[in-house]
Amino acid sequence: QKEVEQNSGPLSVPEGAIASLNCTYSDRGSQSFFWYRQYSGKSPELIMFIYSNGDKEDGRFTAQLNKASQYVSLLIRDSQPSDSATYLCAVQGGAQKLVFGQGTRLTINP
Amino acid sequence: ETGVTQSPTHLIKTRGQQVTLRCSSQSGHNTVSWYQQALGQGPQFIFQYYREEENGRGNFPPRFSGLQFPNYSSELNVNALELDDSALYLCASSSGTGYQETQYFGPGTRLLVL
Repeated sequence: QKEVEQNSGPLSVPEGAIASLNCTYSDRGSQSFFWYRQYSGKSPELIMFIYSNGDKEDGRFTAQLNKASQYVSLLIRDSQPSDSATYLCAVQGGAQKLVFGQGTRLTINP
Repeated sequence: ETGVTQSPTHLIKTRGQQVTLRCSSQSGHNTVSWYQQALGQGPQFIFQYYREEENGRGNFPPRFSGLQFPNYSSELNVNALELDDSALYLCASSSGTGYQETQYFGPGTRLLVL
Protein backbone atom coordinates (compact mmCIF):
# COMPACT_ATOMS: atom_id res chain seq x y z
CA GLN A 1 0.00 0.00 0.00
CA LYS A 2 1.34 3.40 -0.97
CA GLU A 3 1.78 5.82 1.91
CA VAL A 4 -0.06 8.65 0.16
CA GLU A 5 -2.50 7.98 -2.64
CA GLN A 6 -4.06 10.32 -5.12
CA ASN A 7 -6.10 9.74 -8.23
CA SER A 8 -3.62 10.54 -11.00
CA GLY A 9 -6.37 11.86 -13.26
CA PRO A 10 -6.49 13.65 -15.54
CA LEU A 11 -9.38 15.48 -13.93
CA SER A 12 -11.23 17.77 -16.30
CA VAL A 13 -13.45 20.55 -14.91
CA PRO A 14 -15.30 23.35 -16.74
CA GLU A 15 -14.25 26.92 -16.01
CA GLY A 16 -16.17 28.37 -13.09
CA ALA A 17 -16.99 24.99 -11.55
CA ILE A 18 -15.65 23.44 -8.35
CA ALA A 19 -12.64 21.13 -8.68
CA SER A 20 -12.34 18.47 -5.98
CA LEU A 21 -9.01 16.75 -5.38
CA ASN A 22 -8.67 13.85 -2.96
CA CYS A 23 -5.87 12.18 -1.06
CA THR A 24 -5.66 9.28 1.40
CA TYR A 25 -2.73 8.39 3.63
CA SER A 26 -1.73 5.28 5.53
CA ASP A 27 0.22 6.58 8.57
CA ARG A 28 -2.23 7.36 11.39
CA GLY A 29 0.51 9.30 13.16
CA SER A 30 0.66 11.91 10.41
CA GLN A 31 0.16 15.39 11.78
CA SER A 32 0.59 17.89 8.96
CA PHE A 33 -0.89 17.93 5.50
CA PHE A 34 0.07 20.09 2.56
CA TRP A 35 -1.19 20.80 -0.94
CA TYR A 36 1.30 21.89 -3.57
CA ARG A 37 0.61 22.98 -7.12
CA GLN A 38 3.11 22.12 -9.83
CA TYR A 39 2.98 23.56 -13.31
CA SER A 40 4.60 21.56 -16.08
CA GLY A 41 8.38 21.91 -15.95
CA LYS A 42 8.29 23.90 -12.70
CA SER A 43 8.83 23.10 -9.04
CA PRO A 44 6.04 22.56 -6.46
CA GLU A 45 4.44 25.70 -5.05
CA LEU A 46 2.70 25.61 -1.66
CA ILE A 47 -1.03 26.31 -1.80
CA MET A 48 -2.28 25.34 1.64
CA PHE A 49 -1.47 23.44 4.79
CA ILE A 50 -3.81 21.99 7.40
CA TYR A 51 -3.15 20.41 10.79
CA SER A 52 -6.56 20.03 12.44
CA ASN A 53 -9.70 18.14 11.48
CA GLY A 54 -12.24 20.20 9.57
CA ASP A 55 -12.07 22.81 6.87
CA LYS A 56 -9.58 25.57 6.21
CA GLU A 57 -10.35 28.23 3.64
CA ASP A 58 -7.99 30.57 1.80
CA GLY A 59 -9.55 32.54 -1.02
CA ARG A 60 -10.89 30.12 -3.64
CA PHE A 61 -9.18 27.16 -1.96
CA THR A 62 -10.54 25.00 0.85
CA ALA A 63 -8.61 22.16 2.43
CA GLN A 64 -10.54 19.49 4.32
CA LEU A 65 -9.02 17.02 6.77
CA ASN A 66 -10.57 13.93 8.33
CA LYS A 67 -7.96 12.11 10.42
CA ALA A 68 -10.33 9.31 11.41
CA SER A 69 -10.80 8.43 7.76
CA GLN A 70 -7.20 9.33 6.90
CA TYR A 71 -8.44 11.57 4.15
CA VAL A 72 -7.55 15.07 2.99
CA SER A 73 -9.04 16.99 0.12
CA LEU A 74 -8.66 20.28 -1.73
CA LEU A 75 -11.57 22.17 -3.25
CA ILE A 76 -11.00 24.89 -5.81
CA ARG A 77 -14.02 27.15 -6.31
CA ASP A 78 -14.64 29.19 -9.45
CA SER A 79 -11.95 27.23 -11.30
CA GLN A 80 -9.85 29.22 -13.76
CA PRO A 81 -7.75 28.01 -16.70
CA SER A 82 -4.68 29.15 -14.72
CA ASP A 83 -5.54 26.46 -12.13
CA SER A 84 -4.63 23.80 -14.69
CA ALA A 85 -1.65 22.02 -13.13
CA THR A 86 -0.67 18.92 -11.20
CA TYR A 87 -1.71 19.02 -7.54
CA LEU A 88 0.47 17.19 -5.04
CA CYS A 89 -0.74 16.05 -1.65
CA ALA A 90 2.04 15.77 0.96
CA VAL A 91 1.92 14.34 4.46
CA GLN A 92 4.37 14.86 7.33
CA GLY A 93 4.40 12.78 10.48
CA GLY A 94 6.92 12.43 13.25
CA ALA A 95 9.80 12.21 10.81
CA GLN A 96 11.07 15.27 9.04
CA LYS A 97 10.27 14.18 5.53
CA LEU A 98 7.31 15.04 3.39
CA VAL A 99 5.71 12.02 1.76
CA PHE A 100 4.05 12.92 -1.53
CA GLY A 101 1.35 11.31 -3.56
CA GLN A 102 1.93 10.91 -7.28
CA GLY A 103 -0.16 14.00 -8.02
CA THR A 104 -3.47 14.65 -9.76
CA ARG A 105 -3.37 16.38 -13.12
CA LEU A 106 -6.15 18.97 -13.31
CA THR A 107 -7.36 20.60 -16.52
CA ILE A 108 -9.80 23.52 -16.46
CA ASN A 109 -11.68 23.81 -19.72
CA PRO A 110 -12.69 27.33 -20.85
CA GLU B 1 9.27 33.22 -5.67
CA THR B 2 10.30 31.37 -2.52
CA GLY B 3 13.81 32.79 -2.18
CA VAL B 4 15.28 29.30 -2.52
CA THR B 5 17.80 29.07 -5.34
CA GLN B 6 19.39 26.05 -7.01
CA SER B 7 22.22 25.59 -9.47
CA PRO B 8 22.67 24.52 -12.12
CA THR B 9 19.22 24.52 -13.73
CA HIS B 10 20.05 21.71 -16.14
CA LEU B 11 22.83 19.16 -16.30
CA ILE B 12 23.77 16.30 -18.61
CA LYS B 13 26.11 13.58 -17.37
CA THR B 14 27.11 10.12 -18.47
CA ARG B 15 26.70 6.93 -16.51
CA GLY B 16 29.38 6.44 -13.87
CA GLN B 17 30.18 10.12 -13.48
CA GLN B 18 29.70 12.19 -10.32
CA VAL B 19 27.56 15.30 -9.91
CA THR B 20 27.19 18.08 -7.33
CA LEU B 21 24.00 20.11 -7.05
CA ARG B 22 23.75 23.27 -4.97
CA CYS B 23 21.00 24.98 -3.01
CA SER B 24 20.74 28.28 -1.15
CA SER B 25 18.01 28.36 1.44
CA GLN B 26 15.55 31.16 2.04
CA SER B 27 16.76 33.88 4.39
CA GLY B 28 16.14 32.86 8.00
CA HIS B 29 15.80 29.16 7.20
CA ASN B 30 18.21 26.69 8.81
CA THR B 31 16.87 23.43 7.37
CA VAL B 32 17.30 22.06 3.86
CA SER B 33 15.64 18.94 2.46
CA TRP B 34 16.40 17.29 -0.86
CA TYR B 35 13.91 15.42 -3.02
CA GLN B 36 14.11 13.48 -6.28
CA GLN B 37 11.18 13.71 -8.68
CA ALA B 38 11.05 11.27 -11.56
CA LEU B 39 8.84 12.09 -14.53
CA GLY B 40 5.17 11.65 -13.71
CA GLN B 41 5.81 10.91 -10.02
CA GLY B 42 5.66 12.84 -6.79
CA PRO B 43 8.89 13.99 -5.16
CA GLN B 44 10.72 11.41 -3.03
CA PHE B 45 12.64 12.42 0.09
CA ILE B 46 16.41 11.92 -0.12
CA PHE B 47 17.64 13.52 3.13
CA GLN B 48 17.41 16.59 5.32
CA TYR B 49 20.08 18.80 6.87
CA TYR B 50 19.52 20.83 10.01
CA ARG B 51 22.26 23.08 11.36
CA GLU B 52 24.92 21.28 9.30
CA GLU B 53 23.95 17.77 10.45
CA GLU B 54 22.03 15.09 8.54
CA ASN B 55 18.60 14.89 10.19
CA GLY B 56 16.81 12.09 8.43
CA ARG B 57 17.33 10.07 5.29
CA GLY B 58 15.02 8.39 2.81
CA ASN B 59 15.49 5.12 0.97
CA PHE B 60 18.43 6.17 -1.19
CA PRO B 61 21.82 4.42 -1.45
CA PRO B 62 24.99 5.84 0.13
CA ARG B 63 26.19 7.17 -3.22
CA PHE B 64 23.74 9.98 -2.54
CA SER B 65 25.42 12.24 0.01
CA GLY B 66 25.13 15.81 1.13
CA LEU B 67 26.52 18.70 3.07
CA GLN B 68 25.20 21.80 4.74
CA PHE B 69 27.39 24.83 5.27
CA PRO B 70 27.42 27.39 8.11
CA ASN B 71 25.32 29.78 5.99
CA TYR B 72 22.77 26.91 5.67
CA SER B 73 23.31 26.44 1.94
CA SER B 74 23.58 22.81 0.92
CA GLU B 75 25.02 20.44 -1.64
CA LEU B 76 23.76 17.11 -2.95
CA ASN B 77 26.43 14.80 -4.34
CA VAL B 78 25.66 11.73 -6.39
CA ASN B 79 28.46 9.30 -7.24
CA ALA B 80 28.54 6.56 -9.88
CA LEU B 81 25.55 7.96 -11.75
CA GLU B 82 23.00 5.52 -13.10
CA LEU B 83 20.45 6.04 -15.88
CA ASP B 84 17.64 5.95 -13.29
CA ASP B 85 19.14 8.97 -11.55
CA SER B 86 17.71 11.10 -14.37
CA ALA B 87 15.16 13.28 -12.59
CA LEU B 88 14.31 16.72 -11.27
CA TYR B 89 16.19 17.33 -8.02
CA LEU B 90 14.42 19.66 -5.66
CA CYS B 91 15.73 21.47 -2.65
CA ALA B 92 13.32 22.78 -0.01
CA SER B 93 14.08 25.02 2.91
CA SER B 94 12.25 25.55 6.18
CA SER B 95 12.81 27.41 9.43
CA GLY B 96 13.01 24.26 11.54
CA THR B 97 12.24 20.57 11.73
CA GLY B 98 8.95 20.54 13.60
CA TYR B 99 5.91 18.90 12.07
CA GLN B 100 4.30 22.26 11.41
CA GLU B 101 7.26 23.61 9.47
CA THR B 102 6.41 24.41 5.90
CA GLN B 103 8.92 23.51 3.24
CA TYR B 104 9.41 25.89 0.33
CA PHE B 105 10.89 24.57 -2.88
CA GLY B 106 13.53 25.97 -5.15
CA PRO B 107 13.21 25.82 -8.95
CA GLY B 108 15.01 22.47 -9.17
CA THR B 109 17.89 21.03 -11.14
CA ARG B 110 17.01 18.77 -14.04
CA LEU B 111 19.60 16.00 -14.39
CA LEU B 112 19.85 13.78 -17.44
CA VAL B 113 22.14 10.75 -17.28
CA LEU B 114 23.08 9.23 -20.63
